[in-house]
Amino acid sequence: GENVEQHPSTLSVQEGDSAVIKCTYSDSASNYFPWYKQELGKRPQLIIDIRSNVGEKKDQRIAVTLNKTAKHFSLHITETQPEDSAVYFCAASPMGTALIFGKGTTLSVSS
Amino acid sequence: NAGVMQNPRHLVRRRGQEARLRCSPMKGHSHVYWYRQLPEEGLKFMVYLQKENIIDESGMPKERFSAEFPKEGPSILRIQQVVRGDSAAYFCASSPGTDSYNEQFFGPGTRLTVL
Repeated sequence: GENVEQHPSTLSVQEGDSAVIKCTYSDSASNYFPWYKQELGKRPQLIIDIRSNVGEKKDQRIAVTLNKTAKHFSLHITETQPEDSAVYFCAASPMGTALIFGKGTTLSVSS
Repeated sequence: NAGVMQNPRHLVRRRGQEARLRCSPMKGHSHVYWYRQLPEEGLKFMVYLQKENIIDESGMPKERFSAEFPKEGPSILRIQQVVRGDSAAYFCASSPGTDSYNEQFFGPGTRLTVL
């Protein structure tokens, strides 16, 4: 089955810096790669996703890249703000089935 | 435009009791997924259901846990004879299931505490 590795587990940046979180997956059948943001005690919220027929997608300060050959995908947050502080999870899904999540990255943005 | 609804939001049970968690998917969504999140850990897939069908229960413990999604009403995750290790946040997510991509939206979760 699918296995998703996520790095780093914690990330501390200064406000205004960029943050990058990386994930690798094992199942070449995976075709959908979402990223979720979870604040303490809250539900995971979908912030951006990418499908296997696309190499890069951007939404304001957030971008995601996908390298199918190497089986890895990354989340890039530019101009970080204190409200970006949260736990971020990557996930992979083979063909419309369950999401397999990475273990999460705790992002701390200090002002 | 109601999102995914879960109830109760918090549930306290003593060891040996039963826990019933409910999930109502977003309007127009026919696919429901249950995930468990242990304290300070990631989300682990448990079960994937469509109306009246269990599609994938590979993440569900073999004993004490069951799930259903009846023709009418919410999806229910049932945990019999709860133990302290069942204490966790249980999230459900729904998707429209109209294509092979799988955009899922999560409910607020049920936080189960077993005393």
